[in-house]
Order: sequence, then C-alpha cells, then structure tokens
Amino acid sequence: AQSVTQLGSHVSVSEGALVLLRCNYSSSVPPYLFWYVQYPNQGLQLLLKYTSAATLVKGINGFEAEFKKSETSFHLTKPSAHMSDAAEYFCAVSASNTGNQFYFGTGTSLTVIP
Amino acid sequence: ETGVTQSPTHLIKTRGQQVTLRCSSQSGHNTVSWYQQALGQGPQFIFQYYREEENGRGNFPPRFSGLQFPNYSSELNVNALELDDSALYLCASSATGVSTGELFFGEGSRLTVL
Repeated sequence: AQSVTQLGSHVSVSEGALVLLRCNYSSSVPPYLFWYVQYPNQGLQLLLKYTSAATLVKGINGFEAEFKKSETSFHLTKPSAHMSDAAEYFCAVSASNTGNQFYFGTGTSLTVIP
Repeated sequence: ETGVTQSPTHLIKTRGQQVTLRCSSQSGHNTVSWYQQALGQGPQFIFQYYREEENGRGNFPPRFSGLQFPNYSSELNVNALELDDSALYLCASSATGVSTGELFFGEGSRLTVL
C-alpha cells in the first residue's frame, strides 16, 4: 500500500528565506512521487515529479526536491521564497501496482511574510 | 492546447438529491480520474476511466458512479447526496494508462449539500 505524510500543515517563512516542505512516503514497491501546488479556488498544478531517474528533481518556479530512499522522504525546497509562492502544497505518491491512483498528503499551507 | 475543463464550477444541492458533474479532458489524453477534496484535506481518489471502462476505484460507495465517452470526456454522478459529500470534485486527465504519468487537473466543481 502507498501513503504520504506531510509534516506541518502550516509553514510560514519570510520573503527571501529558504522554503522547506516535508514529505515522507510509504510504498511497498518503488514509488513515483509528485509535488503539486494549489492556489485559492484553483485546481492542482504539477511542480515536479520523481519517476526513478535522477534523485534530485528540479521543477517549475525554482522548486526542487530530493528523493531519499533510506529516509523514505521527498522534501520540497526553494532557496528564496517569493510572495507569489503562498499557496497549498500537496505531496503525492503512486506506483506501478496502483494503476493511476495517486495518494495525496493532507497538504501544507505556505505563508510568505513580507 | 486545451486544458481540463469542468462544469459546473459551483452548485448547491439538498440531501437525497442527485448530481452530475462533467469534465472534458486535455487534448490527447485518454484517461480521466476523479478526486474528492474535502475542506482542509488532500484529494482522495474516487475512480478512473480508461477507454470508456472503469479502471480502478477508491473507497467510495456505489452511489458514486461515472462514465467516459468516446471523446474521452467524463461524468461523475452522485446519488442520494449526503452532507459529507460537500467537497471540491477534481477531474484529472493523463496521456497514458500507467502511473508514471502526471495528472493534469481542472479547477474543480465545488458541491455544497444542505
């Protein structure tokens, strides 16, 4: 079975500071991992994905994430927060034995303080 | 390239009623998935359609049903609405039937059940 845990339902950072959003996964088979962002009253937009290629994945808007199998983690980072990064962020996992079913975490709300 | 579109964007129903939500998949995508996102939660998988057949189902009762049409558009039907069905319903399309494919989401249909 697959599942995702996002530590910290709310994260606040100052503009220009490092953004770190945590995601730990559980999977009985090699996972595929995704980060999505959701702005108010909108659907989800893909930030980046890991599908067993390079463990350090770069995404849009300066975000990146590192797959660490030993820690079962896929944390999302951005070196310098921008006001426009304020949104809800979701980590998701799928696997070859789940068809196309994605399992999402409960989300982390990012606030950027000017 | 036309993205995923959903209708209606908002609707209000009363307990016991039935609702139909519609989704047009992104051009070139043959797989449609439906997710329920309750307030403050991550999306939860309802079911997926591939080549007009249900291709996976989450932990939702049979009163949640769907269809996919030859043009890959889809409907989600919910019968005997309950208060807990109030949520944002997200449609997502993808290009293949394997889990490495990212999901492209519409902006959702927000259902309120009174």
